[in-house]
Amino acid sequence: AQKITQTQPGMFVQEKEAVTLDCTYDTSDPSYGLFWYKQPSSGEMIFLIYQGSYDQQNATEGRYSLNFQKARKSANLVISASQLGDSAMYFCAMRENSYSGAGSYQLTFGKGTKLSVIP
Amino acid sequence: KAGVTQTPRYLIKTRGQQVTLSCSPISGHRSVSWYQQTPGQGLQFLFEYFSETQRNKGNFPGRFSGRQFSNSRSEMNVSTLELGDSALYLCASSLGQPPNYGYTFGSGTRLTVV
Repeated sequence: AQKITQTQPGMFVQEKEAVTLDCTYDTSDPSYGLFWYKQPSSGEMIFLIYQGSYDQQNATEGRYSLNFQKARKSANLVISASQLGDSAMYFCAMRENSYSGAGSYQLTFGKGTKLSVIP
Repeated sequence: KAGVTQTPRYLIKTRGQQVTLSCSPISGHRSVSWYQQTPGQGLQFLFEYFSETQRNKGNFPGRFSGRQFSNSRSEMNVSTLELGDSALYLCASSLGQPPNYGYTFGSGTRLTVV
């Protein structure tokens, strides 16, 4: 079963506007972490924001905020005041914190969303 | 502080050859994870090393192997290369202690098998 689902293969946003990138996840582990990464065409994965499953408040980092709805198992990334430099692939990822055999503690990634910022 | 360094950045190999990729983590980080990224399969976990021991392994054939040295630098090796091994290989460094530890990725090594 797919653990991370990003339903938007591509999105366009006008410069200076806000945009929401969707991410839903599936896990039975009560302890987990959710990550968002940005990947420009150069290939490097750039960490944006982190949300722990027990965190009471939504995470924020500058122009990035994470809309965490635990009951719905969603962790949407909100980028405010989009800039041209925000054009990139965005990946949602999850790490389950309980040991479950081989492959434990790995980051499981979604397929990504390609964001294009229009001047 | 210096980031995660992966070498080489680009590599072209012939089918049947073997290749070694290197990853130097952030100073003080004891965990190095490797991921393969392809257009078809996306990002897939290869393995993780922590304090010179392989802690976890993904679902890849035995042709994919790795190791970690006492200075936390890690290498991954792919033997008997196949065309399907063409990918971006990313390594991620972290402190390695749960529950809340982040991952810093390198710029990747882009491997092309011809």
